[in-house]
Amino acid sequence: LAKTTQPISMDSYEGQEVNITCSHNNIATNDYITWYQQFPSQGPRFIIQGYKTKVTNEVASLFIPADRKSSTLSLPRVSLSDTAVYYCLVAFTGGGNKLTFGTGTQLKVEL
Amino acid sequence: DTGVSQNPRHKITKRGQNVTFRCDPISEHNRLYWYRQTLGQGPEFLTYFQNEAQLEKSRLLSDRFSAERPKGSFSTLEIQRTEQGDSAMYLCASSLNSGQVTDTQYFGPGTRLTVL
Repeated sequence: LAKTTQPISMDSYEGQEVNITCSHNNIATNDYITWYQQFPSQGPRFIIQGYKTKVTNEVASLFIPADRKSSTLSLPRVSLSDTAVYYCLVAFTGGGNKLTFGTGTQLKVEL
Repeated sequence: DTGVSQNPRHKITKRGQNVTFRCDPISEHNRLYWYRQTLGQGPEFLTYFQNEAQLEKSRLLSDRFSAERPKGSFSTLEIQRTEQGDSAMYLCASSLNSGQVTDTQYFGPGTRLTVL
């Protein structure tokens, strides 16, 4: 059964590193794993995308193990403005390439 | 602003009425996606187009839902005989075809539908 799982919520303080993991089985072998950020009443916003190992950009890092059954979004030194819901997006195999967002993780950053 | 735009932003309708939403993608993007999002849930994939061809439809897309992208530019999503369960945010996204299903998608602000 195609399914993604994320922690429902996480709390952090400004300046800390936050790691959010998404578990996903049977994803397509040749598709990216992508992470999005969403604020209330807005569409999701692209954060980072990767295929395997580690990817880093100016806002985050993405760690993907060799078996690609999970991925971890790492946000270094979070600030209050990082309070949002974070989703992974994958494509599952079988029955067409069904794009599936994760269950979402509500990150709350406090002073 | 050259991002993805959606109209209307809000729609209130009575049960049984038909509604149509429009999405204008980023101009050079050849892929266009529709998602539905209910409160507290992640977006659920409905369908996507590559140019004017509708390449995939989710089982969530019942017979009452239809999407078109007639000239490979803007797209419309129509819901016929709306039901209260159709109340949701309808999100549109666009991307450049990179050869991956999971292209980098750019989302619009969404159309919030309320069915009374």
